[in-house]
Amino acid sequence: DVKVTQSSRYLVKRTGEKVFLECVQDMDHENMFWYRQDPGLGLRLIYFSYDVKMKEKGDIPEGYSVSREKKERFSLILESASTNQTSMYLCASSYLTGTNEKLFFGSGTQLSVL
Amino acid sequence: ELKVEQNPLFLSMQEGKNYTIYCNYSTTSDRLYWYRQDPGKSLESLFVLLSNGAVKQEGRLMASLDTKARLSTLHITAAVHDLSATYFCAVANAGNMLTFGGGTRLMVKP
Repeated sequence: DVKVTQSSRYLVKRTGEKVFLECVQDMDHENMFWYRQDPGLGLRLIYFSYDVKMKEKGDIPEGYSVSREKKERFSLILESASTNQTSMYLCASSYLTGTNEKLFFGSGTQLSVL
Repeated sequence: ELKVEQNPLFLSMQEGKNYTIYCNYSTTSDRLYWYRQDPGKSLESLFVLLSNGAVKQEGRLMASLDTKARLSTLHITAAVHDLSATYFCAVANAGNMLTFGGGTRLMVKP
């Protein structure tokens, strides 16, 4: 089974702190994604990466950056955390089989910024 | 810009009843997904719909796609408590990125 592992289930940080959210997948997927999930808004794409050292902005990249130094690892960075970044963060990875791309999700990190 | 709307956002139903969740989207797409999320858990893929008129069924859930109407439905037949979860639809845009609907929280009461 594909496994997408997020390093922390819960995090509490203070405003202005630098925050790292780590994600590792074990299926050699090219594509990796970071979403945030907020009630009533569904999932919104922050950044994605389609190869090592490659990254693309999603719908809401402001206040975030990412790093993909190795294929299996995709990190989300909050340079200076703010209270409006309190959210559930979901990492996902995918492979492409023709047009049938399928996302596999990690179990999420609930981040609270105080 | 692709927009995806689900309704209802919240659904409480009795066991044994039937109901439908709707997913509307604003621009042409060739792929639509349905996901399930249990409380405190991550999203689990249910269905991928790739063409107009596509219908997929698993157990008490059936998903269909009408690309002309830009509408997908997730139909629940004879609901059971185990189906209680939040259901998301997601639509792929031309750049291969997914846009998610807001989710439908389903509660099936015994």
